[in-house]
Amino acid sequence: EIVLTQSPATLSLSPAEKATLSCRASQRLTTSLAWYQQKPGQAPRLLIYDASNRATGVPDRFSGSGSGTDFTLTISSLEPEDFAVYYCQQRTSRGPWTFGQGTKVELK
Amino acid sequence: EVQLLESGGGLVQPGGSLRLSCAASGFTFSSHAMGWVRQAPGKGLEWVSSIGGSGDPTYYADSVKGRFTISRDNSKNTLFLQMNSLRPEDTAVYYCARDRQHGLDFDYWGQGTLVTASS
Repeated sequence: EIVLTQSPATLSLSPAEKATLSCRASQRLTTSLAWYQQKPGQAPRLLIYDASNRATGVPDRFSGSGSGTDFTLTISSLEPEDFAVYYCQQRTSRGPWTFGQGTKVELK
Repeated sequence: EVQLLESGGGLVQPGGSLRLSCAASGFTFSSHAMGWVRQAPGKGLEWVSSIGGSGDPTYYADSVKGRFTISRDNSKNTLFLQMNSLRPEDTAVYYCARDRQHGLDFDYWGQGTLVTASS
C-alpha cells in the first residue's frame, strides 16, 4: 500500500501570503494525485485532480504540481476563506484509495 | 445540481449493526462509481469502501473487510453501507462520495452522518 506523507503538519501564515504544501508518496505514483480542502464541520471539497487540474469552480490561486513521488499544492495568495485543512489522495490500479494525514493552514 | 444525502447514522453498542444510506440526485447515478470515506473525531480521512456503477466491482479497506458490505440500488439512486460487528474504532463521520471518473478520486461529497459505536 502506498503511504502519503504531508508536510508540514501545520502552516501558520497571514492573508495574502503564499502557501506551499507538500505530499510525498512512498512509491512512484503511476496514476493521479488529488488534493482536497476541508473546513471545520464541512465535507471535503475536491480542489485538484490529476496532480495539476483544478476542479470545477476552484479559484486559480490554487495550483498543483509534481509527479513521481513528490507533489505540491500552492495557494498563491491566501484569502481568509482558505484557512482550512488540506489532504492529498491517491489510488493505484485496483489498490486502496489512500489519503495523507493532512496539513492545517492556520492564521498566523 | 449534484446532491448526496446520507442517513442512518446513530449510536450503536459494540458488536451491533447499522445500515447507512446515501440518496443521490442531479446526475446519472448508474454512470458513476461511488464510495464511502470516514473521519474519526479530530482525525484525518480514511477510505472505507467503493463500488462500480453497475454494482461491481466492490472494494474494501482492510480495516472493514468481512464486516462491512457496500451495495447500491440504481433504480432508487441510493448507495448503502451495511456495517456489522461494529467496534469503537469505527466511530466516525461517514461520507458518501461520487467517483469523478476511472475510480481515482471523488468530486462530490455528502455532508456526512455520524456513527458512534459505544456502550
